[in-house]
Amino acid sequence: NAGVTQTPKFQVLKTGQSMTLQCAQDMNHNSMYWYRQDPGMGLRLIYYSASEGTTDKGEVPNGYNVSRLNKREFSLRLESAAPSQTSVYFCAARGSGTDTQYFGPGTRLTVL
Amino acid sequence: GESVGLHLPTLSVQEGDNSIINCAYSNSASDYFIWYKQESGKGPQFIIDIRSNMDKRQGQRVTVLLNKTVKHLSLQIAATQPGDSAVYFCAEQYNQGGKLIFGQGTELSVKP
Repeated sequence: NAGVTQTPKFQVLKTGQSMTLQCAQDMNHNSMYWYRQDPGMGLRLIYYSASEGTTDKGEVPNGYNVSRLNKREFSLRLESAAPSQTSVYFCAARGSGTDTQYFGPGTRLTVL
Repeated sequence: GESVGLHLPTLSVQEGDNSIINCAYSNSASDYFIWYKQESGKGPQFIIDIRSNMDKRQGQRVTVLLNKTVKHLSLQIAATQPGDSAVYFCAEQYNQGGKLIFGQGTELSVKP
């Protein structure tokens, strides 16, 4: 039981490049979330998916898109990466009937 | 806008002492609060949570206190150990969908 997994662990992009961050959970949870964490700061919500087939914007959605591929997987896409998107990205999952979110190990993204 | 903030950005304690990490929240409608521990290079790890209809909750070596009158949350760690060294985040939830608002974080350093 791995919980929440994220790939890749590290990524370096050039400005304007695109990439997709992958997240998968094996807890059969309905809700999934994408956050970013900048140095010395707490996490900020980018997008979330309350259930399979639905997605909604969070606090900082600009420059990102998401796809809830199925109940297990929730991906985050950067269409044209910018240096301001250099950050650590965390995915989380939450089950029905609970408010506790469980996090993955993160993806460290650097945009040059 | 609403925010969750921490009074102390760093806290240094001696091994074996008790630690208290404080958090102020601004939204009186928040109904769920959670503490996470984040070690360097890892994702946030759930420690303990509390709902707004409670003022105290205990776990293993940890206690969370909630004072709704002054909108204050604290995390107490008993007999602090070197393995407790990490950044601790509080977060609040005040809406449907499980969206969490995170504070800045407090770095706890335990001296042997």
